[in-house]
Amino acid sequence: GAVVSQHPSWVICKSGTSVKIECRSLDFQATTMFWYRQFPKQSLMLMATSNEGSKATYEQGVEKDKFLINHASLTLSTLTVTSAHPEDSSFYICSARVQGGNSPLHFGNGTRLTVT
Amino acid sequence: DQQVKQNSPSLSVQEGRISILNCDYTNSMFDYFLWYKKYPAEGPTFLISISSIKDKNEDGRFTVFLNKSAKHLSLHIVPSQPGDSAVYFCAASRGNNNDMRFGAGTRLTVKP
Repeated sequence: GAVVSQHPSWVICKSGTSVKIECRSLDFQATTMFWYRQFPKQSLMLMATSNEGSKATYEQGVEKDKFLINHASLTLSTLTVTSAHPEDSSFYICSARVQGGNSPLHFGNGTRLTVT
Repeated sequence: DQQVKQNSPSLSVQEGRISILNCDYTNSMFDYFLWYKKYPAEGPTFLISISSIKDKNEDGRFTVFLNKSAKHLSLHIVPSQPGDSAVYFCAASRGNNNDMRFGAGTRLTVKP
């Protein structure tokens, strides 16, 4: 159980375009989902916390107008990278937690974004 | 602000031997600790966790040890297998706080 599906697994786009990444919890409901970014050989950096039905909470240094997050249902959160630039190229991973006390985050398989 | 630290970027062990991965944290409010395993181009997979009320948790070949006074946890894998080769991340969170902090990861290589 507790499967998180992320789509697409990789995407190549041109500078200036926008890219949407979807994160779905397949067998549980997630009022909260998390978006991480990983640079090569570095740790997972939390970008934002996505809350169903309300605005996302962004970590310091993350531009909310550039990384648009929408959590329209209990099983779907989307991250849109707007006006992408080459420095946005990275590995983006979403996660969700089954509610109820301490429980592990379950991660999607990630999306490799390359901006040319 | 690196609240969770994994000071060894890599570790190499022989198949059949024990692998010990270490992790230190600075925030004494953390009370839930986890280890994740990650293969390239995939999301992390949950391995094992421990709450601060325990000092040891075992699941098959994997054992996590927690030393609260030293703010240190470790993951022991025994016996190590080539399929264990991956990057291992430790993580920590506080209460029901959804914010989970990750270490930088340790790349484990198990040689046949």
